[in-house]
Amino acid sequence: QKEVEQDPGPLSVPEGAIVSLNCTYSNSAFQYFMWYRQYSRKGPELLMYTYSSGNKEDGRFTAQVDKSSKYISLFIRDSQPSDSATYLCAMSGGSNYKLTFGKGTLLTVNP
Amino acid sequence: DAGVTQSPTHLIKTRGQQVTLRCSPKSGHDTVSWYQQALGQGPQFIFQYYEEEERQRGNFPDRFSGHQFPNYSSELNVNALLLGDSALYLCASSPSPGVTGELFFGEGSRLTVL
Repeated sequence: QKEVEQDPGPLSVPEGAIVSLNCTYSNSAFQYFMWYRQYSRKGPELLMYTYSSGNKEDGRFTAQVDKSSKYISLFIRDSQPSDSATYLCAMSGGSNYKLTFGKGTLLTVNP
Repeated sequence: DAGVTQSPTHLIKTRGQQVTLRCSPKSGHDTVSWYQQALGQGPQFIFQYYEEEERQRGNFPDRFSGHQFPNYSSELNVNALLLGDSALYLCASSPSPGVTGELFFGEGSRLTVL
């Protein structure tokens, strides 16, 4: 079993839709949870950062962490064509300095 | 404020050759990490450098080595290149070597091994 599982999609939605992206993980030591956005042939860009369980909102984006279920989510409201990208979940914790990434979900928002 | 800069952006090598990739961290950052991202995969941790020393290493062979300079810039060296080393190599910087994981990535160096 991989430490972090993420459905690679692809996911295609119409403009204005609510998008839900998810990851599950197996390592209980993870305490820091991140979502990165990666446009084609570019480096990942930090989108959301959450410590431990709970919700965090930033504009159209909401990140949720449920440590009891080892499940994290990213919601995008009123999706725009400019949101079309690969979304990577990432986690760290314990005595580890590294990030462990999911495979990424390719999202396309159609105008 | 310049972000993380990497060079070269693209390069092509043949099997058995050696390659050096370079990274300058974001201003104010002193910790540099390197990741390998194969096509269709998430980034995989190679190693992290802090205070010119390798702080932690991922599951990569000794063919992968690195260095950090006093100005915090870093190099990634890969010897005896294999076809499977073809990937996007990402450099990421952070203001401390802590475990929070809030990293800032460069655009990457795309390596093709023929």
